[in-house]
Amino acid sequence: GENVEQHPSTLSVQEGDSAVIKCTYSDSASNYFPWYKQELGKRPQLIIDIRSNVGEKKDQRIAVTLNKTAKHFSLHITETQPEDSAVYFCAASKGYSSASKIIFGSGTRLSIRP
Amino acid sequence: GAVVSQHPSRVICKSGTSVKIECRSLDFQATTMFWYRQFPKQSLMLMATSNEGSKATYEQGVEKDKFLINHASLTLSTLTVTSAHPEDSSFYICSASWLAQETQYFGPGTRLLVL
Repeated sequence: GENVEQHPSTLSVQEGDSAVIKCTYSDSASNYFPWYKQELGKRPQLIIDIRSNVGEKKDQRIAVTLNKTAKHFSLHITETQPEDSAVYFCAASKGYSSASKIIFGSGTRLSIRP
Repeated sequence: GAVVSQHPSRVICKSGTSVKIECRSLDFQATTMFWYRQFPKQSLMLMATSNEGSKATYEQGVEKDKFLINHASLTLSTLTVTSAHPEDSSFYICSASWLAQETQYFGPGTRLLVL
């Protein structure tokens, strides 16, 4: 089955700097890659997603890139702010025409230093 | 839109009792619901996938007789932890989706503590 690896497990950056989180997946049939942000004790919130027919997607300070050949995808957060501190999960799924199970990475705990 | 609720938000029970957790899609019809468990500082582990009106599909290593899942309507799925033990203490989260939509919308989670 699908396996998603995520690095780093913890990341501390200065406020205003950029943060990058990287993931790899094993199943070449995966075609949907969402990223979730989870604050302590709360539900995961979808922050951005990308599909396999797209190499890059951007939404304000957040961008995601996908390299299908290498089976890598990354999350980039620019101009980080204190409210960006949370745990971030990458995920992979094979769903297109119907909802399909999502396999999560192990998570990255991001801390923004003031 | 796409709001998912869970009830209860937290529950404490004695070892050996059963606990039922409800997951509801409030403003859409969820053809598929998923149940996850999350241990402290760990990732979300998929337990099972349930489609309305059919039996749930359990992930490898998840005991179907211990974690009973029912998806009787397009807006409600329930997870019953039977004969709960302290090792079942965890954060249980459901998510919901519908046909032709990959995105899953998560409930707020239920924190279960078994004494």
